[in-house]
Amino acid sequence: DQQVKQNSPSLSVQEGRISILNCDYTNSMFDYFLWYKKYPAEGPTFLISISSIKDKNEDGRFTVFLNKSAKHLSLHIVPSQPGDSAVYFCAATKYNFNKFYFGSGTKLNVKP
Amino acid sequence: DAGVIQSPRHEVTEMGQEVTLRCKPISGHDYLFWYRQTMMRGLELLIYFNNNVPIDDSGMPEDRFSAKMPNASFSTLKIQPSEPRDSAVYFCASSVRINEKLFFGSGTQLSVL
Repeated sequence: DQQVKQNSPSLSVQEGRISILNCDYTNSMFDYFLWYKKYPAEGPTFLISISSIKDKNEDGRFTVFLNKSAKHLSLHIVPSQPGDSAVYFCAATKYNFNKFYFGSGTKLNVKP
Repeated sequence: DAGVIQSPRHEVTEMGQEVTLRCKPISGHDYLFWYRQTMMRGLELLIYFNNNVPIDDSGMPEDRFSAKMPNASFSTLKIQPSEPRDSAVYFCASSVRINEKLFFGSGTQLSVL
């Protein structure tokens, strides 16, 4: 069973607008969440993370929001740029789980 | 640092053949992970090592899959015999500590005909 779900396989956004990628999880014990970005023919690269003690973390154009009660996190990209076109994976874990659980990914296309 | 290095980048083989994927983790990283990416299941953890010792292989699909880490700078994932359903992208990743961010290699695209 998938403990981390990304229900939107793809998203298309106009350059300059906001991109919002969503992720849901089922295990309330998860306390650390990450987003990875993957370009074709490359491995995923770390983008941004958030601990469950926070509800928001910002890094430049990228902000991750965590809603623990809803077991939901989202990644906001503002403004979106064509170079942001990639597959985005969310991942979750808890300290003693010793593994990350990944979602299936959302393919973002930012149109010029 | 060159990052995590995987070889080959692409592998095409016939059903029943043995396939060996290779990985060199980042120097100083104590943890090494093997993941498989498929359309249906996304990124699945197959096995991970800590200081060259396999810790959790519960994600290995079946006995046809095996992984080794003979030293801190090299690991292999072997499939014998390979089957068409093994076709996927296989990623190796490493990290300094468990539950810290992973550094992924570029992956091996495996096609079993």
